[in-house]
Amino acid sequence: AQKVTQAQTEISVVEKEDVTLDCVYETRDTTYYLFWYKQPPSGELVFLIRRNSFDEQNEISGRYSWNFQKSTSSFNFTITASQVVDSAVYFCALSEVFSSGGGADGLTFGKGTHLIIQP
Amino acid sequence: DGGITQSPKYLFRKEGQNVTLSCEQNLNHDAMYWYRQDPGQGLRLIYYSQIVNDFQKGDIAEGYSVSREKKESFPLTVTSAQKNPTAFYLCASTQGADHPYEQYFGPGTRLTVT
Repeated sequence: AQKVTQAQTEISVVEKEDVTLDCVYETRDTTYYLFWYKQPPSGELVFLIRRNSFDEQNEISGRYSWNFQKSTSSFNFTITASQVVDSAVYFCALSEVFSSGGGADGLTFGKGTHLIIQP
Repeated sequence: DGGITQSPKYLFRKEGQNVTLSCEQNLNHDAMYWYRQDPGQGLRLIYYSQIVNDFQKGDIAEGYSVSREKKESFPLTVTSAQKNPTAFYLCASTQGADHPYEQYFGPGTRLTVT
């Protein structure tokens, strides 16, 4: 069965520091997708990125970057020059393709990392 | 604007009562999902539907029921059989049922049962 582990329950940094959120996953599928979501205090989950298992190229979007390494089953998320507005709970999630018969049967989420950016 | 709406935002019920949470989307998405979130926990899948008039149990379906009579709507009923119904409930949808596209989420309903 698939599993996502976010070992960091809470991280607190001072504004402008860089911070990395760890995500480790387990799956028996060779084809799968990984996701990151942001949950601000309002509660609604905001989609950040989707990455498939065949694309290990790192991605950068503004202050956000993602490092996908199949060798260590990790999909880490880095925020550069953090800002107070980045304070939220961040979730990593996994969707298998073949085991799920197509991949649209729901995501497996980690427990989330609560990121606190202090001014 | 396209999106997912959930109502109400806060819901209070007495123990032993069934309650139905609404979820509507105007994104023309095929698949819809219900998740439950408890404090300090990730989201857990309750039910999902990839097509109208069909739905599948997720990891924690006991005590819940759903229907999918229209593409736009996927209501969730929390029955009295659900032992710990107090939680934050999130509805999501995705464009296709044949591929793990990203899921888009509604604002959630916070249910409190006393």
